[in-house]
Amino acid sequence: GAVVSQHPSWVICKSGTSVKIECRSLDFQATTMFWYRQFPKQSLMLMATSNEGSKATYEQGVEKDKFLINHASLTLSTLTVTSAHPEDSSFYICSVTAGGSGKPQHFGDGTRLSIL
Amino acid sequence: AQSVTQLDSHVSVSEGTPVLLRCNYSSSYSPSLFWYVQHPNKGLQLLLKYTSAATLVKGINGFEAEFKKSETSFHLTKPSAHMSDAAEYFCVVSDKGVQGAQKLVFGQGTRLTINP
Repeated sequence: GAVVSQHPSWVICKSGTSVKIECRSLDFQATTMFWYRQFPKQSLMLMATSNEGSKATYEQGVEKDKFLINHASLTLSTLTVTSAHPEDSSFYICSVTAGGSGKPQHFGDGTRLSIL
Repeated sequence: AQSVTQLDSHVSVSEGTPVLLRCNYSSSYSPSLFWYVQHPNKGLQLLLKYTSAATLVKGINGFEAEFKKSETSFHLTKPSAHMSDAAEYFCVVSDKGVQGAQKLVFGQGTRLTINP
């Protein structure tokens, strides 16, 4: 069965709207979750590492005020795209890991965000 | 820093013929390597992983990969392609991330097309 639940799977909204995406770990407590962005026909780019109970660590070039990450519990992390604009349209994917060397990450099914 | 290079952006094979997807890695230490598959508008599914145990790794759906340190390669193979194998494949290496969490570095992806 699914290890990760990501919701919603598809969002279409107007420019200027804020959009929240949820990522839930279903099988284990995830102290660390990751958020990725994927442009069409491209690879995944890590946006940030989300640690339960502390501030997320953002990759270089990712605006933390634009992409708000909250990891309030061991099974839930949220990504909020604030004041979204058309250039924020993309496929956003979260992943969770049980941690430890060599442990794989388990990915959600992604959220297709389209800003009109 | 770790990196991976997928040598082919697109591979096309006939159904029932072998599949070879090539991947070379760069790592300053003994890496953990993964192959993930992504179907359209979906998240990523783990096919197999190498974590310094056996160099020939068997995965799901008949896929396997061989870790060759001398060639810094981790090519993915399957003896006989099936139509359902058509997807995007990512070779991934783990890197040290924040607070010890494993950070994944993705290759650019190889799109596998299966001809009837």
